[in-house]
Amino acid sequence: AQKVTQAQTEISVVEKEDVTLDCVYETRDTTYYLFWYKQPPSGELVFLIRRNSFDEQNEISGRYSWNFQKSTSSFNFTITASQVVDSAVYFCALRYAGNMLTFGGGTRLMVKP
Amino acid sequence: DSGVTQTPKHLITATGQRVTLRCSPRSGDLSVYWYQQSLDQGLQFLIHYYNGEERAKGNILERFSAQQFPDLHSELNLSSLELGDSALYFCASSVEIADTQYFGPGTRLTVL
Repeated sequence: AQKVTQAQTEISVVEKEDVTLDCVYETRDTTYYLFWYKQPPSGELVFLIRRNSFDEQNEISGRYSWNFQKSTSSFNFTITASQVVDSAVYFCALRYAGNMLTFGGGTRLMVKP
Repeated sequence: DSGVTQTPKHLITATGQRVTLRCSPRSGDLSVYWYQQSLDQGLQFLIHYYNGEERAKGNILERFSAQQFPDLHSELNLSSLELGDSALYFCASSVEIADTQYFGPGTRLTVL
């Protein structure tokens, strides 16, 4: 079965703190893709990153970084020096042999000034 | 702005009614996906069309149907609506099946 677990339902930090959002996935496929999407209060889903199962290199994009570890089936997302604009619900998702995305339950991040 | 458009943004209707949600994919994208986001079920895949043909079905109720037209826009039809159908319905598109899915702004459906 394919499953994505985001154990942190809600996280609250103060601006400029670093924060890590956890994502653990389950799949029997050897080829799969992992994604992070952001859902700000306005409601749309914004694509952040995609990784394939053969590329375990960590990625950094500005204040955002992602740590992919196949050994622990995790794809964690870190925001460095968080800002109020980072407040949103963040979803981790898995795509395997089928075309659809399987989403985790989401983590609501609240960044307070 | 992802380039995916959805209309209407909001829809309020009564139980038993039928509604149609519309999605226009990004220019050049052949795949269209529909997802439902509700408080109790989270984000769930409904159905996928590629270049006019249905390719995959997820947890889509029999009361729901979809199609993709020759100009690649898609419509999701929801009939015999129930209170539990109230949700945010997203459309996503991708160039090819294996590509990243980009989401539209969603249609918020409220069934009273």
